[in-house]
Amino acid sequence: AQSVTQLDSQVPVFEEAPVELRCNYSSSVSVYLFWYVQYPNQGLQLLLKYLSGSTLVKGINGFEDEFNKSQTSFHLRKPSVHISDTAEYFCAVSGTSGTYKYIFGTGTRLKVLA
Amino acid sequence: SAVISQKPSRDICQRGTSLTIQCQVDSQVTMMFWYRQQPGQSLTLIATANQGSEATYESGFVIDKFPISRPNLTFSTLTVSNMSPEDSSIYLCSVEWVRRNTEAFFGQGTRLTVV
Repeated sequence: AQSVTQLDSQVPVFEEAPVELRCNYSSSVSVYLFWYVQYPNQGLQLLLKYLSGSTLVKGINGFEDEFNKSQTSFHLRKPSVHISDTAEYFCAVSGTSGTYKYIFGTGTRLKVLA
Repeated sequence: SAVISQKPSRDICQRGTSLTIQCQVDSQVTMMFWYRQQPGQSLTLIATANQGSEATYESGFVIDKFPISRPNLTFSTLTVSNMSPEDSSIYLCSVEWVRRNTEAFFGQGTRLTVV
């Protein structure tokens, strides 16, 4: 079984400041890790994914992540946020074999302040 | 990637009625899924839509309430039956190819309000 925990339901941050959105997971099997973003009244868009290899993953819009297998964490970071980054961010895991189900975290609402 | 079109984008329905949501993909896909996102919550998988056979439902979801069709590799429908206000949610279609180094793609969702 897998579970995903997003530690912050809301994160306010000023424009051009750095931000980190935290995600921990637990799984008895190997997993792929994903971050999705949901802008208001829209579907989900993939930000980045970790499948294998380097633990530092770079995604779109300047976001990056570092996979920490020992701590089972997959935190999303951006060095400098913009107003347009205001959105809901979801962390998700999926098993590397078997079914294709995604387990999503409860989401973190990032609000960038001017 | 894939272009996924969901219809309707939003609807307001009377309790006791049913609504059918359509999901159209611009290319053939292996896997199609339906998720529910209740207000202020995360996504929960309702079922996997199987082409040519009955959908596979997750715990807590049943075919009588959420009948699903998938007549071909590019199209699926989800019906929300005998609706109540508790069914007010965003319903999202998701697709994935069988190659496992890809990610799931999502439609823009259908925002359903039951009054």
